[in-house]
Amino acid sequence: DTEVTQTPKHLVMGMTNKKSLKCEQHMGHRAMYWYKQKAKKPPELMFVYSYEKLSINESVPSRFSPECPNSSLLNLHLHALQPEDSALYLCASSQGYRGLLGEQFFGPGTRLTVL
Amino acid sequence: SQQGEEDPQALSIQEGENATMNCSYKTSINNLQWYRQNSGRGLVHLILIRSNEREKHSGRLRVTLDTSKKSSSLLITASRAADTASYFCATGSGYSTLTFGKGTMLLVSP
Repeated sequence: DTEVTQTPKHLVMGMTNKKSLKCEQHMGHRAMYWYKQKAKKPPELMFVYSYEKLSINESVPSRFSPECPNSSLLNLHLHALQPEDSALYLCASSQGYRGLLGEQFFGPGTRLTVL
Repeated sequence: SQQGEEDPQALSIQEGENATMNCSYKTSINNLQWYRQNSGRGLVHLILIRSNEREKHSGRLRVTLDTSKKSSSLLITASRAADTASYFCATGSGYSTLTFGKGTMLLVSP
């Protein structure tokens, strides 16, 4: 299984809502990533988990809260978002991380709209 | 921060033609990767070239790397309408994560 799955595909939420994005991979990868992508822009790294521990937080606002319950799952909890947070949220995984950077496998993304 | 800069930003060609995209970067790297993204979808890894390699092929793709010029090119031969997508280069260096360039939007018309 060389697939990264993400749910939901689309999400519309109000600024007072709490929602979660989910990501799953069964490739045995030990590094997992959250990216945010605006239209016609490259992905921007938000968080990196390595061996289920948060390794990198790219100064992301606290209204985004990541969680890695186990080696296959990655969640992104959303609370009190702003309209400018509307974007495509991509999850990715890779075998290696620091010093062993290789191919990243991306999920299809969650299209988030904040009203 | 973004290190890769793709050139051109947009490219429009006819089916059967070759498409060439370039990527320049600023710091030393361990490897350079190319990804494709169809509209509104996830990225798909195309090819990885290590810093000690100069050229790599995969099907209709040919990637070159010139570390002295800090640049790479992606050539897609005999393009198809299905190749229409955005193409990103991404650099990996030392203990950092991947850094993506701004991307080239390729349109292949039938």
